[in-house]
Amino acid sequence: DAGVTQSPTHLIKTRGQQVTLRCSPKSGHDTVSWYQQALGQGPQFIFQYYEEEERQRGNFPDRFSGHQYPNYSSELNVNALLLGDSALYLCASSSGQGFGYTFGSGTRLTVV
Amino acid sequence: DAKTTQPPSMDCAEGRAANLPCNHSTISGNEYVYWYRQIHSQGPQYIIHGLKNNETNEMASLIITEDRKSSTLILPHATLRDTAVYYCIVRASYSGAGSYQLTFGKGTKLSVIP
Repeated sequence: DAGVTQSPTHLIKTRGQQVTLRCSPKSGHDTVSWYQQALGQGPQFIFQYYEEEERQRGNFPDRFSGHQYPNYSSELNVNALLLGDSALYLCASSSGQGFGYTFGSGTRLTVV
Repeated sequence: DAKTTQPPSMDCAEGRAANLPCNHSTISGNEYVYWYRQIHSQGPQYIIHGLKNNETNEMASLIITEDRKSSTLILPHATLRDTAVYYCIVRASYSGAGSYQLTFGKGTKLSVIP
């Protein structure tokens, strides 16, 4: 049973560009959350998708947007990249009960 | 969600029990205590959660004080592979419209020493 799959694993982008990160949730999970983790910090909540709608959002600007597809997979889009967007981006999935999120290994984004 | 306080780092000898404390003095009645750990360069891994009773699973035990203002995660026989950052999180119970977010602090960096 595959866990959470994220792609790509590493990515280098130039300031001002746009990026799309992808996540396939664990089988049986219908809720996908995205987190940003800067070096030396704990993960910070970006937003959560359930039933193809954004249900909750953390303190992130509108440059961060997302989408959830009918098969529950999800994308995180970041526009107008800044150097400060360099981080590990984590996807977490859960079922309706929400007890025990399963995290992917993340996408390491470097903005130069 | 209630705020948690954890020591920034701890050491533990290999084979000994690792006891990781967490203070959550503002926890409310419907908030659970969750523990996750993050091994270097990997995503956080769920360990255990509890409401008010002590819990045990194959990975660890969770001891919650009677007033629920603090808890301790116990790894009974620490190995080198348990070296990681451990996060204590409190979160409200599920309400039905998707799941609630997890609010991570900086956690405790546990170093298991040979």
